[in-house]
Order: sequence, then structure tokens, then C-alpha cells
Amino acid sequence: NAGVTQTPKFQVLKTGQSMTLQCAQDMNHNSMYWYRQDPGMGLRLIYYSASEGTTDKGEVPNGYNVSRLNKREFSLRLESAAPSQTSVYFCASSGGTGSNNEQYFGPGTRLTVT
Amino acid sequence: GENVEQHPSTLSVQEGDSAVIKCTYSDSASNYFPWYKQELGKGPQLIIDIRSNVGEKKDQRIAVTLNKTAKHFSLHITETQPEDSAVYFCAANQAGTALIFGKGTTLSVSS
Repeated sequence: NAGVTQTPKFQVLKTGQSMTLQCAQDMNHNSMYWYRQDPGMGLRLIYYSASEGTTDKGEVPNGYNVSRLNKREFSLRLESAAPSQTSVYFCASSGGTGSNNEQYFGPGTRLTVT
Repeated sequence: GENVEQHPSTLSVQEGDSAVIKCTYSDSASNYFPWYKQELGKGPQLIIDIRSNVGEKKDQRIAVTLNKTAKHFSLHITETQPEDSAVYFCAANQAGTALIFGKGTTLSVSS
């Protein structure tokens, strides 16, 4: 099992460009999450999907959109990138229908917006 | 909503010493408290968790304690080793809600 995979690993964008971060899990988990990690700020939840077909905003959703493509895949889209979106992005998944279960994290995508 | 505070932000210990990291949470309904370890360039990985129906849990050199009345929980690492050097995150939630993380503690173990 690969666990949680993310692509790409690194990305540099110019202000105003768009891109989609891809995430997939092979653990048959119901719930998936997108976090961003900034120095001194910990992990902040952007969006999550408690189950296939549902998505909800987290703490910092502005400037992002998500799609739960199927049970395995959960993508994060930046429509018009801004320098404030420079960060490391982590995708995670967990097994239960709620989120009160161990979350498994991917290796992260390091995004720089110039 | 839930708010998790974590202290200290950095911690330096000598190999063999103990390390303690403390977290407080605000929502009395929270009942799941995991701890994650993040090594450089990697995603966080669960190292231990505790649920509100127990006060302490141990796994070899790692232990977590929970005080629901005071709304705080702590990570204890004994006999620290250089490979324990990493960033540690606490988190809290209740069923049906997303985990809320503390801001992390950078632990440095020097030999």
C-alpha cells in the first residue's frame, strides 16, 4: 500500500497562475483533508471531505477550492495564486465517517508563489 | 470552535534526559487527543493518542497524560535519543469534526 500520495512534490507559480494539487489514498478511507503548514503556525485545515460527495470549509478556505473526485481522490485548486499561498500543503485521510480517527498524512507539496 | 495551545515552541535536552510537551484545549466536548511527530521534509506521523475515557497511556518511552477537568494533556518522552529530534504536534477533536492542531514544538536532542 502506498498510503497517501501527493503530486507534485514541488511547484513554483507566478502570481495569478492557477494549479491543482492532487491527492490519492489507497486505504479505503472515508474522510480526506487538506492542510497548509507555515512556520510557527502549525497545521491549518483548509477544506475537508467527511465522505465521498461532501466537502466542508476549514479554518483557512479563502482562495482555494476542492473536489472529492471519488473515494480515493481529493484535489485542491488554487484559481489565482497569491504570494500568501506560499506554503507546504499536506493531504491526509482517515477511516471513520467522522474524523475522530487516526489521520494518515501524505509527504506534502512545497508551493512557492512569486 | 476548538482552540489548542501548545508549549513550549522549542525544547532542547541532552540525550538520556526526559522531555515534556504540554497542550491545552478549549472545547470540553473534545474527546480524542493524538500526538504527531514530523521529521524534516516528511508528513506528520501519529506516535500516540488518548481518548477521554482514560487518564494515561504508555508506549515504550512515550506516554501521554490527560486531565479533562483542567483541559490539558501532555506528551512525555523518557530516555531521549538523537532520533527523537523532530517537530511534535498535539491535536484535539470530537467525533464528526476535524482535528485542530497546536502550533508545534521543535525538540532537539543533543548527544
